[in-house]
Amino acid sequence: SQQGEEDPQALSIQEGENATMNCSYKTSINNLQWYRQNSGRGLVHLILIRSNEREKHSGRLRVTLDTSKKSSSLLITASRAADTASYFCATAFSGSARQLTFGSGTQLTVLP
Amino acid sequence: DTAVSQTPKYLVTQMGNDKSIKCEQNLGHDTMYWYKQDSKKFLKIMFSYNNKELIINETVPNRFSPKSPDKAHLNLHINSLELGDSAVYFCASSQQGMGTDTQYFGPGTRLTVL
Repeated sequence: SQQGEEDPQALSIQEGENATMNCSYKTSINNLQWYRQNSGRGLVHLILIRSNEREKHSGRLRVTLDTSKKSSSLLITASRAADTASYFCATAFSGSARQLTFGSGTQLTVLP
Repeated sequence: DTAVSQTPKYLVTQMGNDKSIKCEQNLGHDTMYWYKQDSKKFLKIMFSYNNKELIINETVPNRFSPKSPDKAHLNLHINSLELGDSAVYFCASSQQGMGTDTQYFGPGTRLTVL
């Protein structure tokens, strides 16, 4: 299947630590997006990185993209309890640029 | 104020029944989507409408029928509900329906089929 796969499936850290989540995909992409889902809520867009970009920052978020390895990482620095959520990568593949394909997410728990 | 709203939030019903989920967006977007999220949190696109026209229709049983009366609304009707239909259904919208768009999600409808 074409969907991105996040790794790890679950991650538990202490408040103040950094959290790194990875996403791998299988075919060429136009862009890759990261979304957050709090428990019982809808997904919220965090950041988009285009296929010709290697790194992007937004506040405490840093996203990297390595198209040669077909992978991306999301780094959350100085994590807070409020960062506890599921994080999903979503890819817009070159062959189907009208839709996003989501993975099953990484469940991040930040312990106070 | 809510950008993308769905009703109901919870839906519990018996196998074989027919049910509908409503979705509305007030963002002025041209494109709306329905996603299904299973118990393992895997999110799969079901349908996409652009200006009331169906543009994405993944392999979804024809018991599922989307209806878009105008570009601000995309409702999902499900006939003859089955146990496997139990999931959380999310409506979303985006400006143009392109992969570069940010998608805005509703709060979800948790469907439980008994």
